[in-house]
Amino acid sequence: GDSVTQMEGPVTLSEEAFLTINCTYTATGYPSLFWYVQYPGEGLQLLLKATKADDKGSNKGFEATYRKETTSFHLEKGSVQVSDSAVYFCALRDDNYGQNFVFGPGTRLSVLP
Amino acid sequence: DGGITQSPKYLFRKEGQNVTLSCEQNLNHDAMYWYRQDPGQGLRLIYYSQIVNDFQKGDIAEGYSVSREKKESFPLTVTSAQKNPTAFYLCASSPRFARGRDTEAFFGQGTRLTVV
Repeated sequence: GDSVTQMEGPVTLSEEAFLTINCTYTATGYPSLFWYVQYPGEGLQLLLKATKADDKGSNKGFEATYRKETTSFHLEKGSVQVSDSAVYFCALRDDNYGQNFVFGPGTRLSVLP
Repeated sequence: DGGITQSPKYLFRKEGQNVTLSCEQNLNHDAMYWYRQDPGQGLRLIYYSQIVNDFQKGDIAEGYSVSREKKESFPLTVTSAQKNPTAFYLCASSPRFARGRDTEAFFGQGTRLTVV
């Protein structure tokens, strides 16, 4: 079945450091891919998305490229801020699994001043 | 202002009581979902509905029930059969999946349920 694997956290960085959170997926169909962010005590917010191979999603300085050949969708940001501290979830959706979303376990990011 | 609204934000339940969590969306989405999130954990799917008057069990449906009588509403009842209901509950909605189209999920702000 479909699955999403993310790097284990927590990830702790200093302000202005470079961020990479790895995400790989397994899907029998041709999925859409998403990154969501969750701040403490809140729901998930869509950070960025990509619907086909080689698409690059970007938002708020974050980027991720849909790599079909490596089944990956790694999240990157060139210079993190303290306000980026949150939990990040990689997710996919396709025709399988009742058209539902499959989420990774989440990666907690802490950015220190 | 379109969105998805969960209420209440905090809910306390006594042992043996049923409680109902509200979820309303005005995004005209066909699909709606309920997830459970435990501290420091990921999301687990409780129930989902792809269309009005139809819903399916997710991975952890035992002790929960739902209804989908209206497109915009998908309430979740936590019954007394749910042995460990203390958790953060998230509702979401989305358009139906279509390859190459924008079909992301929109989430509510969550309801934190505590058994007292």
